[in-house]
Amino acid sequence: DVQLVESGGGLTKPGGSLKLSCAASGFKFGDYEMNWVRQAPGKGLEWISYISATDNRYYADSVKGRFIISRDNARNSLSLQMSSLRVEDTAVYFCAREGTMSTFDSWGQGTLVTVSS
Amino acid sequence: QSALTQPPSASGSPGQSVTISCTGTSTDVDDYKYVSWYQQHPGKAPKLILYEVSKRPSGVPDRFSGSKSGDTASLTVSGLQPDDEADYYCSSYGGINRKLFGGGTRLTVL
Repeated sequence: DVQLVESGGGLTKPGGSLKLSCAASGFKFGDYEMNWVRQAPGKGLEWISYISATDNRYYADSVKGRFIISRDNARNSLSLQMSSLRVEDTAVYFCAREGTMSTFDSWGQGTLVTVSS
Repeated sequence: QSALTQPPSASGSPGQSVTISCTGTSTDVDDYKYVSWYQQHPGKAPKLILYEVSKRPSGVPDRFSGSKSGDTASLTVSGLQPDDEADYYCSSYGGINRKLFGGGTRLTVL
């Protein structure tokens, strides 16, 4: 079975940094495009970053220049380095596998990031 | 403000059908066949229930169906069951670097 497990969330102050990880198993990780999607408390889903199987990377305007997505195919791992964090970055962060174009066919359980002074 | 527009709520009685709309623009929903729908129960991760407008992943019952006309996509849930009570999100490809979600619709089974 496909499994995605996020980790690394926690409480940090505005301006701080945090690195999220997503451990993948049950599929050939290197063959798939991957994404990060977040959900602020009580709010809807927001796509924030994408990485292709060949390392092309895209970001939503809300995080561009502050977040960096990366992958380690040898370790079946996806990461999101977050810096210059803002209160509005507070959310549950999900990693999601991409099937066909922009279809998020598998999701992790999410990890909560809280940015507060 | 979300990129795709969904009604905030919908409801129906057990056994009835409910349709949820998802309105985009000429540069996303109207321009591509890549509309997907997700079901999210409270405290859980989203689950893919439809992709490419009307295709169902393995294991999703055929009570869930989708369609698209112009810039509006629709999800229909037939034969409503208590477990269908959840939040539903549409998503569309909008070109490179644009993956859009709707604001979500809370479906209540009365």
